[in-house]
Amino acid sequence: QSVLTQPPSVSGAPGQRVTISCTGSSSNIGAGYDVHWYQQLPGSAPKLLIYGNNNRPSGVSDRFSGSKSATSASLAITGLQAEDEADYSCQSYDSSLSGVVFGGGTKLTVL
Amino acid sequence: QVQLQESGPGLVTPSQTLSLTCTVSGGSISSGGYYWTWIRQHPGKGLEWIGYIFYSGSTSYNPSLKSRVTISVDTSYNQFSLKLSSVTAADTAVYYCARLLRRRNWFDPWGQGTLVTVSS
Repeated sequence: QSVLTQPPSVSGAPGQRVTISCTGSSSNIGAGYDVHWYQQLPGSAPKLLIYGNNNRPSGVSDRFSGSKSATSASLAITGLQAEDEADYSCQSYDSSLSGVVFGGGTKLTVL
Repeated sequence: QVQLQESGPGLVTPSQTLSLTCTVSGGSISSGGYYWTWIRQHPGKGLEWIGYIFYSGSTSYNPSLKSRVTISVDTSYNQFSLKLSSVTAADTAVYYCARLLRRRNWFDPWGQGTLVTVSS
């Protein structure tokens, strides 16, 4: 059971907008620690998608955006494309565990 | 750019010790500012942080694995290693090494991952 909670799956049609939630607690997201997002294409290693809540690394499409509020965070993907079909995981730091924590991952299906 | 590559046995016998090495290329493991990290992913499951090490040798481990985990660093070979003792089938997973930016706590880059199966 992951410390950060994500929906197991989301789906959307090409061109649509989807959001993936990441819910934490007062010892991680609610304590002010940043949230980061990773994209994991089938059979591949995770890749940094969003860092520091809402920043995109160089080369990441601006169709991806992140936000954070209180004890939760969200990843939004606009203009869905078939190539976006992947697993998405959120990550933060937890002061109670004194370590890094992940969400359980969300599988995005492009219909 | 910095690249990481995991290596080690793909099959480990139950009760034995799992040993993996991560080789860093394109940059020095001794450059401050990063923690060198091990993460695993059970089949079809989410990511689990195992622990990390600073080039000086200071470490931090996941409390759930701490009693069985040792992470070490060899700066002369630009490598860091993972040892997980007393393994069971529950330790079967893809093991990744990754670089963690200190104080900002995000992972980039990641190694490609290596599947370790625990079976007799």
